[in-house]
Amino acid sequence: GAGVSQTPSNKVTEKGKYVELRCDPISGHTALYWYRQSLGQGPEFLIYFQGTGAADDSGLPNDRFFAVRPEGSVSTLKIQRTERGDSAVYLCASSPGGRAVEAFFGQGTRLTVV
Amino acid sequence: AQSVSQHNHHVILSEAASLELGCNYSYGGTVNLFWYVQYPGQHLQLLLKYFSGDPLVKGIKGFEAEFIKSKFSFNLRKPSVQWSDTAEYFCAVNEVNTDKLIFGTGTRLQVFP
Repeated sequence: GAGVSQTPSNKVTEKGKYVELRCDPISGHTALYWYRQSLGQGPEFLIYFQGTGAADDSGLPNDRFFAVRPEGSVSTLKIQRTERGDSAVYLCASSPGGRAVEAFFGQGTRLTVV
Repeated sequence: AQSVSQHNHHVILSEAASLELGCNYSYGGTVNLFWYVQYPGQHLQLLLKYFSGDPLVKGIKGFEAEFIKSKFSFNLRKPSVQWSDTAEYFCAVNEVNTDKLIFGTGTRLQVFP
């Protein structure tokens, strides 16, 4: 497709469960970002990839959060032992990379932990 | 740590009024600067960007922003807003030696006809 695709668009899960959120970036984009957006807040940086490697994962809140991008395209954000505080919209963006980054965002996955 | 501040959290205007939204960042090195917009129910979209050159940049829909390096600011302006400009506006900063993009908390703009 032409844009960044995120699935599912909505996810409701019980506290303590494991969830996976998927991001399909724009074809050819080398950089991929994950953000978390809570109500009334700006996107909070979680992690970004250059190719297959995590270039900066300093925004991941704790070791329950993990992300992979094994082939340098699709990425999965994984959250273990979900907590109610994890409820937010998780945004994915991709960029051609290089010095002048311009990120293109997906619609996001709304995660609700009950 | 690098941070981005947007001091106007909620702005209410009538159509045809002029708009200026503030954005300040804390990083002292070379940066790229962005304004993103999120219309109700839609994803974040790029409004305009500054990489280098003329500090006054023009974006889509009549928006412009001015980079003032001495003030670490990148304020967004529009001379005459429209009802369709109702949205949330986010300033973002990127350090040029990384691809990390940091956002401000956003400004909610409501324009009444």
